[in-house]
Amino acid sequence: AQTVTQSQPEMSVQEAETVTLSCTYDTSESNYYLFWYKQPPSRQMILVIRQEAYKQQNATENRFSVNFQKAAKSFSLKISDSQLGDTAMYFCAFVEETSGSRLTFGEGTQLTVNP
Amino acid sequence: GAVVSQHPSRVICKSGTSVKIECRSLDFQATTMFWYRQFPKKSLMLMATSNEGSKATYEQGVEKDKFLINHASLTLSTLTVTSAHPEDSSFYICSARMGGRTNEKLFFGSGTQLSVL
Repeated sequence: AQTVTQSQPEMSVQEAETVTLSCTYDTSESNYYLFWYKQPPSRQMILVIRQEAYKQQNATENRFSVNFQKAAKSFSLKISDSQLGDTAMYFCAFVEETSGSRLTFGEGTQLTVNP
Repeated sequence: GAVVSQHPSRVICKSGTSVKIECRSLDFQATTMFWYRQFPKKSLMLMATSNEGSKATYEQGVEKDKFLINHASLTLSTLTVTSAHPEDSSFYICSARMGGRTNEKLFFGSGTQLSVL
């Protein structure tokens, strides 16, 4: 069974600085997709970034980028120029191509951006 | 982007009553919707996969008679918590898949906080 591990339950960063959230996963499949979702206090799940496993290039979305290491099964999220609005719970998620979009979520990392 | 509407956002009910939660895809057709449960400061736990026109697929340990799922149209799935008890109190979230392939994006509803007294 696939698993997703986020080893940092809580993290904090100063406004304008950079922070990296870690995520590792386990699968025997070769085709899969990885995601980072953000859940602010409103509890609305928001897609931050996604990565297809067959793509070697790391995905980027403005201030958000990932470091995808397929051999190590690692998928970390880097947030640059952190903003107060980035304060949220961040979930790493994984879906195998054969699973029909059944996402497996990590336990989450609560990120607090301090002014 | 695509919008998924979930209603109600908050519901309080008495023990023993049933509660229905609706999940609608507003601007796309969703052949597949998913229902999750989330406890405070915890991750999302998949409860079931809802497919339009067919029976839902429940995850192991989820009582299908307790959590009734209906996906009667391409834009609406409902979750009914039957004979609710305090232990059913939780945050319930739906998501809808746009497109027919796994790599298409999933869109989430805003969630429903259920409190059973």
